[in-house]
Amino acid sequence: EVQLVESGGGLVQPGGSLRLSCSASGFTFSTYAIHWVRQAPGKGLEYVSAISGTGGSTYYADSVKGRFTISRDNSKNTLYLQMSSLRSDDTALYYCVKDIGSYPYYMDVWGKGTTVTVSS
Amino acid sequence: EIVMTQSPATLSVSPGERATLSCRASQSVGNNLAWYQQKPGQAPRLLIYGASTRATGIPARFSGSGSGTEFTLTISSLQSEDFAVFFCQQYDNWPPWTFGQGTKVEIK
Repeated sequence: EVQLVESGGGLVQPGGSLRLSCSASGFTFSTYAIHWVRQAPGKGLEYVSAISGTGGSTYYADSVKGRFTISRDNSKNTLYLQMSSLRSDDTALYYCVKDIGSYPYYMDVWGKGTTVTVSS
Repeated sequence: EIVMTQSPATLSVSPGERATLSCRASQSVGNNLAWYQQKPGQAPRLLIYGASTRATGIPARFSGSGSGTEFTLTISSLQSEDFAVFFCQQYDNWPPWTFGQGTKVEIK
């Protein structure tokens, strides 16, 4: 069974940093692109970032470009999202989502998410 | 950036009735359109991809149609477990992958 388990969320002050992790199992991690998608409280879904299976290609939403960095360690079946210069509008539930192929296309399996709260 | 617009925002339907949800793209996305279902407190689940292909394990009462800029998700006979929020998403022109704002299907 494909599973994605996010961790690393928490309360952080504006301007602070946080690193999210996503541990994957049940599939050959290195052969699939993975996305981060977030959902602010009571709001819709917003794409954040994506990375190809090899890690050689990365993509970012304009709202996080220059502040967030996506990476992966295929030897550990783990995806990361390093977040810096956090703002209150980054407050959201962050989902790790598997793509259907090695390069980003569309998303199929979602993790349960980890909550990030940016507040003083 | 392609803007996805869903209507209506809320749809009140009785169990056993048909529900029809709409999704419009600001420019053509071909058939590169997915639908997701999100129940309260849960992660989204892929229902439809390629505008009309059901994902693995999705019941036949869910069907998708459309191409270009106009898309429809139809639930032929609503079951109690179907009440949720439904999102459409385009994956034709990215980044960014863009989602509609969602349609909440509630019990009438």
